[in-house]
Amino acid sequence: EAGVAQSPRYKIIEKRQSVAFWCNPISGHATLYWYQQILGQGPKLLIQFQNNGVVDDSQLPKDRFSAERLKGVDSTLKIQPAKLEDSAVYLCASTLTRTDTQYFGPGTRLTVL
Amino acid sequence: AQTVTQSQPEMSVQEAETVTLSCTYDTSESDYYLFWYKQPPSRQMILVIRQEAYKQQNATENRFSVNFQKAAKSFSLKISDSQLGDAAMYFCAYRRSMNRDDKIIFGKGTRLHILP
Repeated sequence: EAGVAQSPRYKIIEKRQSVAFWCNPISGHATLYWYQQILGQGPKLLIQFQNNGVVDDSQLPKDRFSAERLKGVDSTLKIQPAKLEDSAVYLCASTLTRTDTQYFGPGTRLTVL
Repeated sequence: AQTVTQSQPEMSVQEAETVTLSCTYDTSESDYYLFWYKQPPSRQMILVIRQEAYKQQNATENRFSVNFQKAAKSFSLKISDSQLGDAAMYFCAYRRSMNRDDKIIFGKGTRLHILP
């Protein structure tokens, strides 16, 4: 079974630029999560999708971050414009509905200069 | 609000020895779920073990076991016969329920070094 795929693995941009991350969850997983993991901290949930609907985006900085999951499968997370404090690893995870085991992708390490 | 605290930023253990990672949490709920996740240097996080608060028996998974003290709100992870592959960041995590609307709250993590 293929795992959660993410791309790119690494991205370096300058502040005020835009960036997008892509996630492909495990086949059949209806729930998809985006986390932000700042160095030295645990992951923080940014947004949770159930199929193509948003379940929780309370911690998503909506003035600069956006995410979509149009067909209920792949998802993209965008930052526009990026700030220095956005430097972090962005993790995508997926689960079958109503199970607790979250399967994580390898993450995208973003560096904002 | 629920919080998860891991007071040991880093720990080291000799290969084949036993190590215990500490975790405390704060909640007013009586039923909830606790987890330990492992994040190796490649950064793909995996679930190591989970504990349901209503179960008195401590969870075990091969060399990994927990010491769940509900009254003390403590949830430590014991790794027996440590192996080089156990080197990673370990995150303690809490979830109020399995309802899809309840998020997982992670601690800051403990970096575990295995000394050959």
